[in-house]
Amino acid sequence: EAQVTQNPRYLITVTGKKLTVTCSQNMNHEYMSWYRQDPGLGLRQIYYSMNVEVTDKGDVPEGYKVSRKEKRNFPLILESPSPNQTSLYFCASSYYGVGGNTEAFFGQGTRLTVV
Amino acid sequence: GQQVMQIPQYQHVQEGEDFTTYCNSSTTLSNIQWYKQRPGGHPVFLIQLVKSGEVKKQKRLTFQFGEAKKNSSLHITATQTTDVGTYFCAGPGTYKYIFGTGTRLKVLA
Repeated sequence: EAQVTQNPRYLITVTGKKLTVTCSQNMNHEYMSWYRQDPGLGLRQIYYSMNVEVTDKGDVPEGYKVSRKEKRNFPLILESPSPNQTSLYFCASSYYGVGGNTEAFFGQGTRLTVV
Repeated sequence: GQQVMQIPQYQHVQEGEDFTTYCNSSTTLSNIQWYKQRPGGHPVFLIQLVKSGEVKKQKRLTFQFGEAKKNSSLHITATQTTDVGTYFCAGPGTYKYIFGTGTRLKVLA
């Protein structure tokens, strides 16, 4: 079954404690991205990756890091989380071609609370 | 920068009423995608429109892409409680898709 798997689904952490949210896809997609979803603001892209070892900033990258060492995995790292990073996070993957991305497959989401 | 605006932000309808959400881009789009997110769920792809003036139907859902390829709409005929959720449009930017802010639909039985 084609899927994007995110872990954990829920996380409560304290300010400054490094954390990693994992994302894995089984569709051999080149393109992966991270979004955060906040009320009234929709889905905002944090980082994206066009392929292995190719990553770039999205619209709201401050306070986040990513890596793409393998095609299937795209972890999101918060080195020093702050309360304003409390949000719902989604990982997504898709093919990327000449006409742009094909349909994006989203993970189940990670609800992060930073206290 | 490129923006994708969506209206309305919220819509409450009685079951059986119609519903429409509108998506407007600041730039011409090569295509537009629509997603649905059920409460507590993740966005799920519904459809992609590519051609100017294109109209596509999925049962009670009708999707339109404007002639100028700068706007799009999703119309639901005779809403049901299963239509509850947030509907997003997404337009391609540079190496990414830009999502609209979404329209949250509530259907009152």
